[in-house]
Amino acid sequence: AQSVSQHNHHVILSEAASLELGCNYSYGGTVNLFWYVQYPGQHLQLLLKYFSGDPLVKGIKGFEAEFIKSKFSFNLRKPSVQWSDTAEYFCAVNAPGTYKYIFGTGTRLKVLA
Amino acid sequence: DTGVSQNPRHKITKRGQNVTFRCDPISEHNRLYWYRQTLGQGPEFLTYFQNEAQLEKSRLLSDRFSAERPKGSFSTLEIQRTEQGDSAMYLCASSPWGSGTNTEAFFGQGTRLTVV
Repeated sequence: AQSVSQHNHHVILSEAASLELGCNYSYGGTVNLFWYVQYPGQHLQLLLKYFSGDPLVKGIKGFEAEFIKSKFSFNLRKPSVQWSDTAEYFCAVNAPGTYKYIFGTGTRLKVLA
Repeated sequence: DTGVSQNPRHKITKRGQNVTFRCDPISEHNRLYWYRQTLGQGPEFLTYFQNEAQLEKSRLLSDRFSAERPKGSFSTLEIQRTEQGDSAMYLCASSPWGSGTNTEAFFGQGTRLTVV
């Protein structure tokens, strides 16, 4: 069965610090990978997605993620965080041709102004 | 607003009562999903519809839960004889579907259920 692991449950950073959130998945075949963000009081929104091609994908608000197939990882990065990035971040996986999106437990990011 | 719409946004009910939630997906999205999210957890899959057909139900979905999508448009999720453990945020999502299409799920704002 597919599963997604996010090892950082809570992260606190100061503004302008660099961010990297880990995501590992367990699935032997081809997968689609996603990062979603949930700002306080808002719905889940897509940050970025990977289906195929360049393993370095860029999303909204300066976020990027790198797919490393050999490590089953899809880590999220941002060079310089802002206070407005305070939110909960979820990694998700979906196998092409299937329909379920499997989510990790999330990482709560707090950025101090 | 053309996003996924869920109603009500909040529901407080007494244990043992039945509740029903509604989800209106993005127009023309064939796929519709229900998820449940509790504090400190990511969304957990409950069930999936492709048009009006319910193609999968999670083992999380006990026989007190039922979901419908009668005309392939909006969907309802009913919980009968609610228990305190049912307290959670119930999320609906939709996505388009087509042969060979990879796509993401678009989420609604959820219905927060509190069972007292």
